[in-house]
Amino acid sequence: DAGVIQSPRHEVTEMGQEVTLRCKPISGHNSLFWYRQTMMRGLELLIYFNNNVPIDDSGMPEDRFSAKMPNASFSTLKIQPSEPRDSAVYFCASNAYRGGNTGELFFGEGSRLTVL
Amino acid sequence: GQQVMQIPQYQHVQEGEDFTTYCNSSTTLSNIQWYKQRPGGHPVFLIQLVKSGEVKKQKRLTFQFGEAKKNSSLHITATQTTDVGTYFCAGQGGSEKLVFGKGTKLTVNP
Repeated sequence: DAGVIQSPRHEVTEMGQEVTLRCKPISGHNSLFWYRQTMMRGLELLIYFNNNVPIDDSGMPEDRFSAKMPNASFSTLKIQPSEPRDSAVYFCASNAYRGGNTGELFFGEGSRLTVL
Repeated sequence: GQQVMQIPQYQHVQEGEDFTTYCNSSTTLSNIQWYKQRPGGHPVFLIQLVKSGEVKKQKRLTFQFGEAKKNSSLHITATQTTDVGTYFCAGQGGSEKLVFGKGTKLTVNP
């Protein structure tokens, strides 16, 4: 079975450019999470969706970040305009949430973003 | 908000030595999960603990959840080079979201 699929795997861009990261969750999973990983801050939850609806976006750093989930099989995380401090690995994760305990998160392989 | 602290940040051991990482939450948790991330890889789920005082074992790995459901530990007996990576705990409080600790990076000298 295919796992969580993220693209691109690597992105190098210049400050000020728009960046779009994409995620396809595991089929049948109804919760989707975007995490950012840096050496300094570790794994930070940016936003999560349940049944395509954003539930908690309190981790989104600022208005330059936005995330959408137009359907159950696709989500995007957009940064506009990008800044060097946005350089990080961005992970998407999904699971089948049925209420109560969250259960195992299945992570994609990540998108490594470098903003020059 | 909910915070999850993990110590130590780094641990270097000789192959065959034991290893332990500790996790503490600022709030009572409904459950705690452990993940392993190999260098250059992504976090992979190891286990979930739900009950107060719960102890679970996976071969050389022993996981504990504290009585107050605010702390947890992962112990590896007789480390091997395949154990290299960063071990994260992740706690769930009153909402769906998991808050990750900063991880313990384990290196093993053969």
